[in-house]
Amino acid sequence: QKEVEQNSGPLSVPEGAIASLNCTYSDRGSQSFFWYRQYSGKSPELIMFIYSNGDKEDGRFTAQLNKASQYVSLLIRDSQPSDSATYLCAVNEITGGGNKLTFGTGTQLKVEL
Amino acid sequence: ETGVTQSPTHLIKTRGQQVTLRCSSQSGHNTVSWYQQALGQGPQFIFQYYREEENGRGNFPPRFSGLQFPNYSSELNVNALELDDSALYLCASSRQVRGSGNTIYFGEGSWLTVV
Repeated sequence: QKEVEQNSGPLSVPEGAIASLNCTYSDRGSQSFFWYRQYSGKSPELIMFIYSNGDKEDGRFTAQLNKASQYVSLLIRDSQPSDSATYLCAVNEITGGGNKLTFGTGTQLKVEL
Repeated sequence: ETGVTQSPTHLIKTRGQQVTLRCSSQSGHNTVSWYQQALGQGPQFIFQYYREEENGRGNFPPRFSGLQFPNYSSELNVNALELDDSALYLCASSRQVRGSGNTIYFGEGSWLTVV
């Protein structure tokens, strides 16, 4: 049973600070990782995905992957109140030509004024 | 805008009834997956369809079934509804590209309440 672990939070950061969200996974063979943002009552919105060890930057977001330690993180720079949401980490498994995402339970982020 | 549309957005059913949820995939995306997200949980994989065939299934009973149509739209059917089936049902669309990454986008979801 593949598992993805996230701290449920809430993680509170002041406006303008860096928010750091972490995720660990159990399957050492996992190859690709996704971060989604989910506002209350809405569906998950893709932020970014990462395949290679190291950092991947997209605007204020940076995903970091360390396959040896089996963790992936998401950094949000210059956090804004609009970033307040639940952040879902997902591990992608390629299955017979398709994709299956295994999600963590999500980390609730609160950006305070 | 993900290009994945779902209907209906909200519905209420009675225990024991049957429900059909619909999804229209993004143009060019030929794989569709369905997920169930209970309150406070991450989405759980139900099953996936590729070229109109079921192509992987999660830990859900047979009363959860689906279809994919030639135009890549899809349906999720749930029979004999139970109270625990109350959840947000998400359709996800992705495109297979050999040797490259995939992007997986969700629709807005269908909120199902079973009473």
